[in-house]
Amino acid sequence: AQSVTQPDIHITVSEGASLELRCNYSYGATPYLFWYVQSPGQGLQLLLKYFSGDTLVQGIKGFEAEFKRSQSSFNLRKPSVHWSDAAEYFCAVVPNSGGYQKVTFGTGTKLQVIP
Amino acid sequence: EAGVAQSPRYKIIEKRQSVAFWCNPISGHATLYWYQQILGQGPKLLIQFQNNGVVDDSQLPKDRFSAERLKGVDSTLKIQPAKLEDSAVYLCASRSFRLAANNEQFFGPGTRLTVL
Repeated sequence: AQSVTQPDIHITVSEGASLELRCNYSYGATPYLFWYVQSPGQGLQLLLKYFSGDTLVQGIKGFEAEFKRSQSSFNLRKPSVHWSDAAEYFCAVVPNSGGYQKVTFGTGTKLQVIP
Repeated sequence: EAGVAQSPRYKIIEKRQSVAFWCNPISGHATLYWYQQILGQGPKLLIQFQNNGVVDDSQLPKDRFSAERLKGVDSTLKIQPAKLEDSAVYLCASRSFRLAANNEQFFGPGTRLTVL
């Protein structure tokens, strides 16, 4: 069965430090891949997405993600974290198989930023 | 461009009561989703509409949950009767049919439901 795993439930980083959030998927073929951010009391906002082509994807707010087919991973990175980045981050996948395409979300990683 | 609107933002009810949530998608978006997000979990799809037809309701607890999208625009999600485990944030999202290939969904702020 297809699945999305975010192994880190909670991560704490210092402001200005680098960040990497992990996402692994299990699908028969390379799916469409997304990262969303959810601030407290808010809906989800799309940070970036990968469909094909260049495996390093740039997104909003200085985030980037790298697709690694050999590792079935799509990790989110940011070189220098700002206090406003504190939020919950969700990886999501959609099968790239035509027909009905259902989105499956990971369980999320909550990011805490300390001064 | 206005985003996805949801109301109410918060609702507290007692178990066995009924509750309804409303969603107004982005204008022109043919696809509408309802998700349930329990604390500490990712959103779980409850139902997906394409215009006013149901595409997927496989995870909707149909004995107590119902949803409709009359005229292919606004949608309501109802729970009757509510259980304690229904406490969650209910998110509405929409997607443009014209841009369907990129699968980008736009989310509303959600309705936080507390069942006591």
